[in-house]
Amino acid sequence: GDSVTQMEGPVTLSEEAFLTINCTYTATGYPSLFWYVQYPGEGLQLLLKATKADDKGSNKGFEATYRKETTSFHLEKGSVQVSDSAVYFCALKAMDSSYKLIFGSGTRLLVRP
Amino acid sequence: EAQVTQNPRYLITVTGKKLTVTCSQNMNHEYMSWYRQDPGLGLRQIYYSMNVEVTDKGDVPEGYKVSRKEKRNFPLILESPSPNQTSLYFCASRRSGGPYEQYFGPGTRLTVT
Repeated sequence: GDSVTQMEGPVTLSEEAFLTINCTYTATGYPSLFWYVQYPGEGLQLLLKATKADDKGSNKGFEATYRKETTSFHLEKGSVQVSDSAVYFCALKAMDSSYKLIFGSGTRLLVRP
Repeated sequence: EAQVTQNPRYLITVTGKKLTVTCSQNMNHEYMSWYRQDPGLGLRQIYYSMNVEVTDKGDVPEGYKVSRKEKRNFPLILESPSPNQTSLYFCASRRSGGPYEQYFGPGTRLTVT
């Protein structure tokens, strides 16, 4: 079945460091791909998305490119801030599903001043 | 303000005592779902609803019930809670169809002793 695999955390970085959180997926066809962020004590919020191969989603300085050839959707940011500390979830919506999102296990990011 | 609300936010209960977690959205979304979040497992879907009076099981439905009598409300019912249902629960809603953003509630932390 469809699945999403994320790198295990926590990821600890210093402020202004470069961030990469790896995400790979297994699905048939061309799923839609998402990154959600969960700040402490809150629900998940959509960070960015991409709906077809080679699309780049971006928001708040974060970027991720939909790579069909490597079935990946890695999240990157050039310079992290303390306020970026959160849990990040990669997710997919299968082509044959109008509704269901499949989530990865989440990666906790801690940014130190 | 567009939002998904859940109540209560925190609940401690005992094994076997029936409880209901309410969920309400004000965006006229057709699709609503419940997830549970457990460490290392990400979010797993419990039940979902495609519209009023239309519900179906997700990946981990055992021990839960839902109903969808009104479009805005989607309560989660635990008829006889057990300790393995201790978790963080999220309600979510979205428009049906394409890769639209899924909106999440703030979460309900449930402890069953």
